[in-house]
Amino acid sequence: DTAVSQTPKYLVTQMGNDKSIKCEQNLGHDTMYWYKQDSKKFLKIMFSYNNKELIINETVPNRFSPKSPDKAHLNLHINSLELGDSAVYFCASSRRPETYEQYFGPGTRLTVT
Amino acid sequence: DQQVKQNSPSLSVQEGRISILNCDYTNSMFDYFLWYKKYPAEGPTFLISISSIKDKNEDGRFTVFLNKSAKHLSLHIVPSQPGDSAVYFCAASPLNFGNEKLTFGTGTRLTIIP
Repeated sequence: DTAVSQTPKYLVTQMGNDKSIKCEQNLGHDTMYWYKQDSKKFLKIMFSYNNKELIINETVPNRFSPKSPDKAHLNLHINSLELGDSAVYFCASSRRPETYEQYFGPGTRLTVT
Repeated sequence: DQQVKQNSPSLSVQEGRISILNCDYTNSMFDYFLWYKKYPAEGPTFLISISSIKDKNEDGRFTVFLNKSAKHLSLHIVPSQPGDSAVYFCAASPLNFGNEKLTFGTGTRLTIIP
């Protein structure tokens, strides 16, 4: 019974394509996040949703659009993929305001060729 | 501008000895600190956390120390076990609701030598 799951685990695509990554959590948390781990292994926040409402939006290109259909799901859609988008994308969730601990999914390795 | 720094990219420790991982931060708005452990091809796993009102928190073999005046925290693992070999990330967050994004350090790769 996976707590935070992501699909797909690997994604290889060409420049210019549009792709989506899905995330689901079964922890009953109300806040979900997307993080990007770049080639230097640096993990950086991209977005945060609380009860389906966007609360954190870092300086991410408009080509990235998160969507939260309900509290248990947060998807990431990327338009017009570029080589620099190649990274590992992690979804996470937490139960605010009771705790600050965030629980991460296994990651999606995106490779743009 | 890296607000959370882990200056040691790697650390090797003999099994059974103490592992000490260090982390420094620059943003005085950070009030909550966490350590995560990461195995290859997996997501970070939460280990232990500490709020700025404390200077120490223990959970089994793991202890986190916080020196707020020095803006420094450390993770002690004792005794170290082979399964502890992983990359350890320090993370920090402000406490104000709505801005609790985690800012991560670049990680320290810990290798436990049997």
